[in-house]
Amino acid sequence: GENVEQHPSTLSVQEGDSAVIKCTYSDSASNYFPWYKQELGKRPQLIIDIRSNVGEKKDQRIAVTLNKTAKHFSLHITETQPEDSAVYFCAASTPSGGYNKLIFGAGTRLAVHP
Amino acid sequence: NAGVTQTPKFQVLKTGQSMTLQCAQDMNHNSMYWYRQDPGMGLRLIYYSASEGTTDKGEVPNGYNVSRLNKREFSLRLESAAPSQTSVYFCASSDGGSGNTIYFGEGSWLTVV
Repeated sequence: GENVEQHPSTLSVQEGDSAVIKCTYSDSASNYFPWYKQELGKRPQLIIDIRSNVGEKKDQRIAVTLNKTAKHFSLHITETQPEDSAVYFCAASTPSGGYNKLIFGAGTRLAVHP
Repeated sequence: NAGVTQTPKFQVLKTGQSMTLQCAQDMNHNSMYWYRQDPGMGLRLIYYSASEGTTDKGEVPNGYNVSRLNKREFSLRLESAAPSQTSVYFCASSDGGSGNTIYFGEGSWLTVV
């Protein structure tokens, strides 16, 4: 079945450094790739997404890149701040019967140290 | 707008007991979902409802049932709770198909002893 693999599972950086999280997906029909941030005890919240007709998208300190040929996409956070500390989930969506069939990666726990 | 609201927030059950998690959204979304989140496993889809009047199994449906009561409400029922169902449950909604943002509720922490 469809699968999304996410690496690394944990990531520790110093404040101001960049952080990169990578995901690969198995279903070539996937066409939508959101990233969610989840703070401890809170709900996952969308931080950025990209569609399959775009190779890169940027929103301030956050960017996502997509390589459809290789079936992988990455989240880049620049100038990290302590408030970026959270668990980040990637996901891939495949068109399926009128609903958003999202398959999530297992998550990356990012720690930003002052 | 409250978004997606779910109740209860915390629940402890004994093995074999039943309970229903309630969820409602006020964004007029067509699709609703129930996910469970276990440590190191990400979010896994239990059941979904693509539109009012329809429900379908997701990745991990065993031990659960759902009801799409109307466009706003989508409930998840555990008929006979097992310790393996100890998890955090998230209800979510979206406006239809692939490419539409999924919005999550605040989560329900369920412990089965």
